[in-house]
Amino acid sequence: DGGITQSPKYLFRKEGQNVTLSCEQNLNHDAMYWYRQDPGQGLRLIYYSQIVNDFQKGDIAEGYSVSREKKESFPLTVTSAQKNPTAFYLCASTRSGLSYNEQFFGPGTRLTVL
Amino acid sequence: DQQVKQNSPSLSVQEGRISILNCDYTNSMFDYFLWYKKYPAEGPTFLISISSIKDKNEDGRFTVFLNKSAKHLSLHIVPSQPGDSAVYFCAALYNFNKFYFGSGTKLNVKP
Repeated sequence: DGGITQSPKYLFRKEGQNVTLSCEQNLNHDAMYWYRQDPGQGLRLIYYSQIVNDFQKGDIAEGYSVSREKKESFPLTVTSAQKNPTAFYLCASTRSGLSYNEQFFGPGTRLTVL
Repeated sequence: DQQVKQNSPSLSVQEGRISILNCDYTNSMFDYFLWYKKYPAEGPTFLISISSIKDKNEDGRFTVFLNKSAKHLSLHIVPSQPGDSAVYFCAALYNFNKFYFGSGTKLNVKP
């Protein structure tokens, strides 16, 4: 089955600890994205990557870091510098190109920092 | 600055009637507009899209209308069903690689 997996579904961490959220896709998509959703708000873009070994900051990149060493994988690290890390995190992917390509989402990871 | 806005956080509709969800945007350079449906604790799923050069796209019970002069789009669901109850996000695609999302509208379809 083709799709995007995010693990774990729920994650708890103590304040001050870095934590890495996993995102894997087997859709052979070039572009991958990380979003954050807070209650009553839309999805806000954290980072995105159009190709392997390249990524760009989104609108709320401070306190986060990413890597794109493989096409299938785009892990997100929430660092201790992120002031309000508790949120629902969504990973997505699309094919790249100068035309519209549907964005597919993973099931999300709910991170709670205690 | 929020480039895509959904000003109604919730909407309640009777089963069988029409649901109309609205969305406003500020950037006239968006390439495509999309609607996603989301259940709690799940990722959004794509519903329907429209190119910026069109003014209407229809898919079964779902129709999206685009009014470029007003920078407004709407999603019509006819007839509404209880299974349509979810949060609906409006999104806009810029430069074919960056998506901007609205804050969502929670639709409740009453049996």
